[in-house]
Amino acid sequence: IAGITQAPTSQILAAGRRMTLRCTQDMRHNAMYWYRQDLGLGLRLIHYSNTAGTTGKGEVPDGYSVSRANTDDFPLTLASAVPSQTSVYFCASSVGLADNTGELFFGEGSRLTVL
Amino acid sequence: GQNIDQPTEMTATEGAIVQINCTYQTSGFNGLFWYQQHAGEAPTFLSYNVLDGLEEKGRFSSFLSRSKGYSYLLLKELQMKDSASYLCAGMDSNYQLIWGAGTKLIIKP
Repeated sequence: IAGITQAPTSQILAAGRRMTLRCTQDMRHNAMYWYRQDLGLGLRLIHYSNTAGTTGKGEVPDGYSVSRANTDDFPLTLASAVPSQTSVYFCASSVGLADNTGELFFGEGSRLTVL
Repeated sequence: GQNIDQPTEMTATEGAIVQINCTYQTSGFNGLFWYQQHAGEAPTFLSYNVLDGLEEKGRFSSFLSRSKGYSYLLLKELQMKDSASYLCAGMDSNYQLIWGAGTKLIIKP
């Protein structure tokens, strides 16, 4: 089934540890995104990628890094996790960044708790 | 600054009609989007408006007024499965989505 796969689904992490959230899509979409969702707040963009080999910073990039070595994969790394990074993380993709239908396809989310 | 405002929570009765409002302020404008998100699940796309007026899609309709910075999502013949959060998002001049916090819709029998 075509779509976006995120891993892990859930993780508890000690503060200071390094963590990589994985995201893979098989729809050959050019654009990919990482969002975090916190209670009472809208989805906030962390990083995005217009196409393989390029990345950009979103609204809340500090403490996070991404890479886009190929079309399908877009991992998100927390170099040294802090409790404020406790959140639900969603990976998403779209045909293109300026795709005028605006339809994003989301993964099922990764719930991260930093203690 | 950029901002999306929508009510935090609404309650409606099964079989009835409900309207969820959204006001937006974005730097430039490339469209207004509605997504549905069931608890513990990923958001899914519902609608997209870039021109003024009403877009109808089955039981769901979405309206846009660009001059007023206003949109609404209209849900008809409510079903229990419509209980979810509804997310309003505006696309700015950089084609980035600015998201509201979502409206939690509770459907009662």
